[in-house]
Amino acid sequence: NAGVTQTPKFRVLKTGQSMTLLCAQDMNHEYMYWYRQDPGMGLRLIHYSVGEGTTAKGEVPDGYNVSRLKKQNFLLGLESAAPSQTSVYFCASRPGQNTEAFFGQGTRLTVV
Amino acid sequence: SQQGEEDPQALSIQEGENATMNCSYKTSINNLQWYRQNSGRGLVHLILIRSNEREKHSGRLRVTLDTSKKSSSLLITASRAADTASYFCASDMVDYKLSFGAGTTVTVRA
Repeated sequence: NAGVTQTPKFRVLKTGQSMTLLCAQDMNHEYMYWYRQDPGMGLRLIHYSVGEGTTAKGEVPDGYNVSRLKKQNFLLGLESAAPSQTSVYFCASRPGQNTEAFFGQGTRLTVV
Repeated sequence: SQQGEEDPQALSIQEGENATMNCSYKTSINNLQWYRQNSGRGLVHLILIRSNEREKHSGRLRVTLDTSKKSSSLLITASRAADTASYFCASDMVDYKLSFGAGTTVTVRA
């Protein structure tokens, strides 16, 4: 039982490049979340999903897109990376409301 | 903007002392959760308190919730060096968002 797995763990991008971060969970959870963590800012919600085929915007969605084609996977895309998107990205999943969330180990992304 | 704010931003205590941190939130919640993060790793869930509860205990953790003031507190009793970490409150909101604050960094000195 792997829990929540994020791929890749580290990545360096050049400004303007695109990439996709993958979050996979094997716990059959309905809800999945993408956050970014910057020093002094805590975790800020980018996008989230409450079920397969559904997505919704969080607190800082600009510059990111997401897809939830399969229940177990939640993809975060950066179409044209900017230095301001340098951050640590965390994915989380949970069964539903009023339940605890389980986090991945994070993806450290640097945009130069 | 973020839903929650923690206070203080940082806390340094001696081993064996108690650590108290506070969280304020802005909008209605289903429950309030506390998480812990060690050195930039993924967050780990500590405790969940529902909106109709006022106090909850789990081991050395005590959480209170005051929905009239939109605030919560986390107390860690008899702290240990291993409690050194960042602690975050998370608002489980009615629109399914799970929104975190900026966190409190706790350092426990031996």
